[in-house]
Amino acid sequence: SQQGEEDPQALSIQEGENATMNCSYKTSINNLQWYRQNSGRGLVHLILIRSNEREKHSGRLRVTLDTSKKSSSLLITASRAADTASYFCATDNQGAQKLVFGQGTRLTINP
Amino acid sequence: GAVVSQHPSWVICKSGTSVKIECRSLDFQATTMFWYRQFPKQSLMLMATSNEGSKATYEQGVEKDKFLINHASLTLSTLTVTSAHPEDSSFYICSATDRRGYNEQFFGPGTRLTVL
Repeated sequence: SQQGEEDPQALSIQEGENATMNCSYKTSINNLQWYRQNSGRGLVHLILIRSNEREKHSGRLRVTLDTSKKSSSLLITASRAADTASYFCATDNQGAQKLVFGQGTRLTINP
Repeated sequence: GAVVSQHPSWVICKSGTSVKIECRSLDFQATTMFWYRQFPKQSLMLMATSNEGSKATYEQGVEKDKFLINHASLTLSTLTVTSAHPEDSSFYICSATDRRGYNEQFFGPGTRLTVL
């Protein structure tokens, strides 16, 4: 069953602005991952953050994790039109190998 | 590295026919492969977990007789949709984990199935 909830479901911003997406989950985890999916395509792995980490950076991406609140956020700075995609968080559900995906956020970057 | 391919990328078939989708890890050995389905504008739903040389483990509500999964080698898993119906039309995505045990799943590009 889906355990991740993401908000907002859709986000539309101007190019150059920052985009923030949030994810909440229900069970204990070993790690949380963020993926990007362009329309009709497969998933691209963006970043993995472990349960003992609070923040992680990768290029223009910044991910935070608050295990006490069972939530994570993905920040994309200086957005570009090419960032237009759906973004999903995924958790490993108490260390199980299989992933449980959130509902996703559809991000649109307007030029 | 860590490339996963799927074939075909899209398929259209008549109701009642069976369709086979292949998932291959191109540059690594995958002990475990996963099959997901995704309806338009929705998230990925795990259908089954496939381990090389053993029977697949299906998620609750997924008909194992309808969605046949075979993982015959460390680089290939197949999903066969048997007696397909229009409600089986969906985007099917596979993923694989590296045999070295990394947490990351590598996803294929997906297969769009349309059943007429």
